[in-house]
Amino acid sequence: EADIYQTPRYLVIGTGKKITLECSQTMGHDKMYWYQQDPGMELHLIHYSYGVNSTEKGDLSSESTVSRIRTEHFPLTLESARPSHTSQYLCASSKGSGNTIYFGEGSWLTVV
Amino acid sequence: AQTVTQSQPEMSVQEAETVTLSCTYDTSENNYYLFWYKQPPSRQMILVIRQEAYKQQNATENRFSVNFQKAAKSFSLKISDSQLGDTAMYFCAFGTFTSGTYKYIFGTGTRLKVLA
Repeated sequence: EADIYQTPRYLVIGTGKKITLECSQTMGHDKMYWYQQDPGMELHLIHYSYGVNSTEKGDLSSESTVSRIRTEHFPLTLESARPSHTSQYLCASSKGSGNTIYFGEGSWLTVV
Repeated sequence: AQTVTQSQPEMSVQEAETVTLSCTYDTSENNYYLFWYKQPPSRQMILVIRQEAYKQQNATENRFSVNFQKAAKSFSLKISDSQLGDTAMYFCAFGTFTSGTYKYIFGTGTRLKVLA
Protein backbone atom coordinates (compact mmCIF):
# COMPACT_ATOMS: atom_id res chain seq x y z
CA GLU A 1 0.00 0.00 0.00
CA ALA A 2 1.03 3.60 -0.60
CA ASP A 3 2.55 5.64 2.22
CA ILE A 4 0.09 8.51 2.11
CA TYR A 5 -2.04 9.30 5.11
CA GLN A 6 -5.12 11.39 5.67
CA THR A 7 -6.70 12.55 8.90
CA PRO A 8 -9.40 12.63 10.00
CA ARG A 9 -10.98 9.76 8.11
CA TYR A 10 -14.47 10.84 9.14
CA LEU A 11 -15.62 14.22 10.42
CA VAL A 12 -19.03 15.66 11.22
CA ILE A 13 -18.94 19.38 11.84
CA GLY A 14 -21.37 22.26 12.21
CA THR A 15 -21.95 24.99 9.66
CA GLY A 16 -19.54 27.89 9.96
CA LYS A 17 -16.75 25.93 11.62
CA LYS A 18 -13.18 25.98 10.36
CA ILE A 19 -11.67 22.63 9.49
CA THR A 20 -8.34 21.38 8.24
CA LEU A 21 -7.90 18.05 6.52
CA GLU A 22 -4.39 16.73 6.92
CA CYS A 23 -2.44 14.84 4.28
CA SER A 24 1.10 13.51 4.57
CA GLN A 25 3.20 11.26 2.38
CA THR A 26 6.52 9.61 3.15
CA MET A 27 7.49 8.72 -0.41
CA GLY A 28 9.35 11.94 -1.19
CA HIS A 29 6.90 12.78 -3.98
CA ASP A 30 7.15 16.28 -5.38
CA LYS A 31 3.56 16.51 -6.61
CA MET A 32 0.49 16.41 -4.39
CA TYR A 33 -3.20 16.74 -5.18
CA TRP A 34 -6.60 17.12 -3.57
CA TYR A 35 -9.65 15.60 -5.25
CA GLN A 36 -13.28 15.93 -4.23
CA GLN A 37 -15.50 12.92 -4.79
CA ASP A 38 -19.17 12.49 -3.97
CA PRO A 39 -20.17 8.87 -3.17
CA GLY A 40 -19.90 6.64 -6.21
CA MET A 41 -19.15 9.58 -8.48
CA GLU A 42 -16.20 10.90 -10.45
CA LEU A 43 -13.16 12.66 -9.02
CA HIS A 44 -12.77 16.41 -9.34
CA LEU A 45 -9.35 18.01 -8.93
CA ILE A 46 -9.63 20.99 -6.58
CA HIS A 47 -5.97 21.76 -5.75
CA TYR A 48 -2.52 20.62 -6.72
CA SER A 49 1.08 21.38 -5.87
CA TYR A 50 4.28 20.71 -7.77
CA GLY A 51 6.57 21.40 -4.87
CA VAL A 52 7.18 23.44 -1.75
CA ASN A 53 5.51 26.86 -1.87
CA SER A 54 3.75 25.92 -5.11
CA THR A 55 -0.04 25.57 -5.11
CA GLU A 56 -2.59 25.84 -7.90
CA LYS A 57 -6.35 25.60 -8.15
CA GLY A 58 -7.77 22.62 -9.98
CA ASP A 59 -10.56 22.20 -12.46
CA LEU A 60 -13.38 22.37 -9.92
CA SER A 61 -13.81 25.64 -8.09
CA SER A 62 -13.51 25.20 -4.35
CA GLU A 63 -13.75 27.52 -1.38
CA SER A 64 -11.01 25.57 0.33
CA THR A 65 -7.36 26.61 0.49
CA VAL A 66 -4.14 24.61 0.65
CA SER A 67 -0.55 25.14 1.63
CA ARG A 68 2.72 23.32 0.90
CA ILE A 69 5.33 24.39 3.38
CA ARG A 70 6.98 20.97 3.55
CA THR A 71 7.36 18.41 0.78
CA GLU A 72 5.55 15.72 2.71
CA HIS A 73 2.61 17.77 3.97
CA PHE A 74 -0.34 19.22 2.02
CA PRO A 75 -3.20 20.29 4.29
CA LEU A 76 -6.56 21.53 3.02
CA THR A 77 -8.52 24.15 4.99
CA LEU A 78 -12.12 25.29 4.90
CA GLU A 79 -12.49 28.58 6.78
CA SER A 80 -16.26 28.31 7.14
CA ALA A 81 -17.83 24.94 6.41
CA ARG A 82 -21.21 24.70 4.72
CA PRO A 83 -23.49 21.72 4.00
CA SER A 84 -22.52 21.99 0.31
CA HIS A 85 -18.98 21.02 1.35
CA THR A 86 -20.19 17.58 2.43
CA SER A 87 -18.16 15.14 0.37
CA GLN A 88 -15.18 12.83 0.35
CA TYR A 89 -11.79 14.49 -0.07
CA LEU A 90 -8.99 12.40 -1.52
CA CYS A 91 -5.35 13.37 -1.20
CA ALA A 92 -2.87 11.98 -3.69
CA SER A 93 0.78 12.27 -4.65
CA SER A 94 3.09 11.40 -7.51
CA LYS A 95 6.72 11.77 -8.51
CA GLY A 96 7.93 13.24 -11.76
CA SER A 97 5.82 12.88 -14.87
CA GLY A 98 3.91 9.90 -16.14
CA ASN A 99 4.24 8.00 -12.94
CA THR A 100 1.59 6.39 -10.85
CA ILE A 101 -0.49 8.67 -8.67
CA TYR A 102 -1.03 7.27 -5.20
CA PHE A 103 -4.09 7.99 -3.10
CA GLY A 104 -4.79 8.28 0.57
CA GLU A 105 -7.77 6.56 2.15
CA GLY A 106 -9.87 9.71 1.97
CA SER A 107 -11.53 12.03 4.44
CA TRP A 108 -15.30 11.93 4.65
CA LEU A 109 -16.62 15.34 5.63
CA THR A 110 -20.22 15.94 6.68
CA VAL A 111 -21.33 19.48 7.46
CA VAL A 112 -24.60 19.76 9.36
CA ALA B 1 -10.55 19.59 -24.13
CA GLN B 2 -9.06 16.39 -22.83
CA THR B 3 -11.63 13.91 -21.63
CA VAL B 4 -11.99 10.34 -20.44
CA THR B 5 -15.26 8.50 -21.04
CA GLN B 6 -16.43 5.36 -19.33
CA SER B 7 -19.73 4.47 -20.93
CA GLN B 8 -20.69 1.67 -18.54
CA PRO B 9 -21.86 3.08 -15.19
CA GLU B 10 -22.48 -0.40 -13.76
CA MET B 11 -21.57 -3.95 -14.68
CA SER B 12 -21.83 -7.34 -13.10
CA VAL B 13 -20.05 -10.61 -13.74
CA GLN B 14 -20.24 -14.10 -12.36
CA GLU B 15 -17.35 -15.28 -10.25
CA ALA B 16 -14.63 -16.95 -12.36
CA GLU B 17 -15.93 -15.33 -15.56
CA THR B 18 -14.24 -12.65 -17.66
CA VAL B 19 -15.40 -9.05 -17.92
CA THR B 20 -14.23 -6.10 -19.99
CA LEU B 21 -14.58 -2.48 -18.90
CA SER B 22 -14.54 0.16 -21.62
CA CYS B 23 -12.69 3.45 -21.67
CA THR B 24 -12.18 5.99 -24.41
CA TYR B 25 -10.30 9.24 -24.21
CA ASP B 26 -9.68 12.32 -26.25
CA THR B 27 -6.41 14.20 -26.38
CA SER B 28 -4.24 15.97 -28.90
CA GLU B 29 -1.10 15.01 -27.01
CA ASN B 30 1.13 12.27 -28.34
CA ASN B 31 2.90 11.36 -25.12
CA TYR B 32 0.77 10.25 -22.23
CA TYR B 33 0.15 7.46 -19.79
CA LEU B 34 -3.01 5.51 -19.16
CA PHE B 35 -4.14 3.97 -15.90
CA TRP B 36 -6.87 1.84 -14.42
CA TYR B 37 -7.58 2.38 -10.74
CA LYS B 38 -9.74 0.29 -8.42
CA GLN B 39 -11.68 1.77 -5.50
CA PRO B 40 -13.27 -0.90 -3.28
CA PRO B 41 -16.21 0.23 -1.13
CA SER B 42 -14.95 2.59 1.59
CA ARG B 43 -11.36 1.71 0.82
CA GLN B 44 -8.31 3.26 -0.72
CA MET B 45 -8.00 3.82 -4.46
CA ILE B 46 -5.21 1.64 -5.82
CA LEU B 47 -3.52 1.22 -9.16
CA VAL B 48 -4.55 -1.82 -11.17
CA ILE B 49 -2.51 -1.36 -14.31
CA ARG B 50 -0.53 1.28 -16.20
CA GLN B 51 0.26 1.70 -19.90
CA GLU B 52 2.69 4.02 -21.65
CA ALA B 53 1.17 5.41 -24.85
CA TYR B 54 4.41 4.94 -26.78
CA LYS B 55 4.37 1.20 -26.13
CA GLN B 56 2.37 -0.92 -28.53
CA GLN B 57 2.42 -3.98 -26.32
CA ASN B 58 -0.59 -4.23 -24.04
CA ALA B 59 0.16 -4.18 -20.32
CA THR B 60 -0.76 -7.17 -18.18
CA GLU B 61 -0.80 -7.72 -14.42
CA ASN B 62 -1.80 -11.22 -13.44
CA ARG B 63 -5.55 -11.47 -14.12
CA PHE B 64 -5.76 -7.91 -15.41
CA SER B 65 -4.89 -6.90 -18.94
CA VAL B 66 -5.63 -3.99 -21.23
CA ASN B 67 -6.52 -3.62 -24.88
CA PHE B 68 -4.85 -0.38 -25.90
CA GLN B 69 -5.87 0.96 -29.30
CA LYS B 70 -4.04 4.26 -29.71
CA ALA B 71 -5.55 5.24 -33.04
CA ALA B 72 -9.04 4.63 -31.70
CA LYS B 73 -8.13 6.22 -28.34
CA SER B 74 -9.49 3.22 -26.54
CA PHE B 75 -8.14 1.61 -23.37
CA SER B 76 -10.31 -1.24 -22.10
CA LEU B 77 -9.59 -3.37 -19.04
CA LYS B 78 -10.13 -7.11 -19.07
CA ILE B 79 -10.47 -8.98 -15.79
CA SER B 80 -10.09 -12.74 -16.12
CA ASP B 81 -11.24 -15.30 -13.56
CA SER B 82 -13.20 -12.63 -11.67
CA GLN B 83 -13.10 -12.85 -7.89
CA LEU B 84 -15.44 -11.47 -5.24
CA GLY B 85 -12.66 -9.12 -4.15
CA ASP B 86 -12.76 -7.49 -7.57
CA THR B 87 -16.05 -5.81 -6.63
CA ALA B 88 -15.25 -2.09 -6.74
CA MET B 89 -15.49 1.13 -8.69
CA TYR B 90 -12.99 1.18 -11.54
CA PHE B 91 -11.66 4.46 -12.86
CA CYS B 92 -9.84 4.94 -16.13
CA ALA B 93 -7.38 7.84 -16.19
CA PHE B 94 -4.67 9.39 -18.29
CA GLY B 95 -1.79 11.62 -17.40
CA THR B 96 -0.20 14.14 -19.71
CA PHE B 97 1.43 17.51 -19.94
CA THR B 98 -1.06 20.19 -20.83
CA SER B 99 -0.55 23.96 -20.75
CA GLY B 100 2.81 23.47 -19.10
CA THR B 101 1.57 21.33 -16.23
CA TYR B 102 1.24 17.60 -15.71
CA LYS B 103 -2.35 16.49 -15.02
CA TYR B 104 -4.25 13.31 -14.41
CA ILE B 105 -7.75 13.17 -15.84
CA PHE B 106 -10.21 10.59 -14.56
CA GLY B 107 -13.32 9.06 -16.07
CA THR B 108 -16.64 8.86 -14.23
CA GLY B 109 -16.06 5.27 -13.15
CA THR B 110 -17.68 1.87 -13.67
CA ARG B 111 -19.16 0.07 -10.70
CA LEU B 112 -18.35 -3.63 -11.03
CA LYS B 113 -20.09 -6.25 -8.97
CA VAL B 114 -18.83 -9.81 -8.95
CA LEU B 115 -21.60 -12.27 -8.21
CA ALA B 116 -21.09 -15.50 -6.29
